[in-house]
Amino acid sequence: SYELTQPTSVSVSPGQTASITCSGHKLGDNYVCWYQQKPGQAPVLVLFQDKKRPSGIPERFSGSNSGNTATLSISGIQAVDEADYYCQAWVSDTVVFGGGTKLTVL
Amino acid sequence: QITLKESGPALVKPTQTLTVTCSFSGFSLNATGMGVGWIRQPPGKALEWLAVIYWDDDKSYSPSVSSRVTITKDTSRHQVVLTMTDMGPVDSGTYFCAHHTALTTDYIDVWGKGTTVTVSS
Repeated sequence: SYELTQPTSVSVSPGQTASITCSGHKLGDNYVCWYQQKPGQAPVLVLFQDKKRPSGIPERFSGSNSGNTATLSISGIQAVDEADYYCQAWVSDTVVFGGGTKLTVL
Repeated sequence: QITLKESGPALVKPTQTLTVTCSFSGFSLNATGMGVGWIRQPPGKALEWLAVIYWDDDKSYSPSVSSRVTITKDTSRHQVVLTMTDMGPVDSGTYFCAHHTALTTDYIDVWGKGTTVTVSS
């Protein structure tokens, strides 16, 4: 079965840029979404179609997807950005989620 | 504004069948491009997609649970129901329903708050 691989954790200082990767075979051939999930809450869509932001998501969130890797970048990191982040793609008519990355703001 | 709310039993015994209901508002599941899916999350673990049903009654299931899961819709009642047979302890977790927008591409854009299910005797 198809797998999306994310780093378990990423740590970044306030004001810096965090980059979270998501890897999968020929992932660039598929659109990727990213979700933010804070403890005890439902996930929130932060990017769809690789790099599009839903209404209400700050411009600090950006994305790219090429080859085997998609990347979520968050610039000007704030304490409020501390959360788990999941990538997601459609592969062979099924939804696949990555294992999630815990973003810690130092 | 699209909202979804999950409901169902908090406790299920091993081998029993789970039935969870998603009640939604803010869209019609008759409208082109609309879908409702289910995703679960064991405590402290990652999200796991289960199934989705669309406005045209097309359905898709995760291969890992496809033999145990059925998804149905009741458009007039604005509800989607997921049933999962032969429940076991590994099926414990939070079950989320979510809205799919499937016009040009398909993505999950709004989630319910989830309902917690524990499988235990």
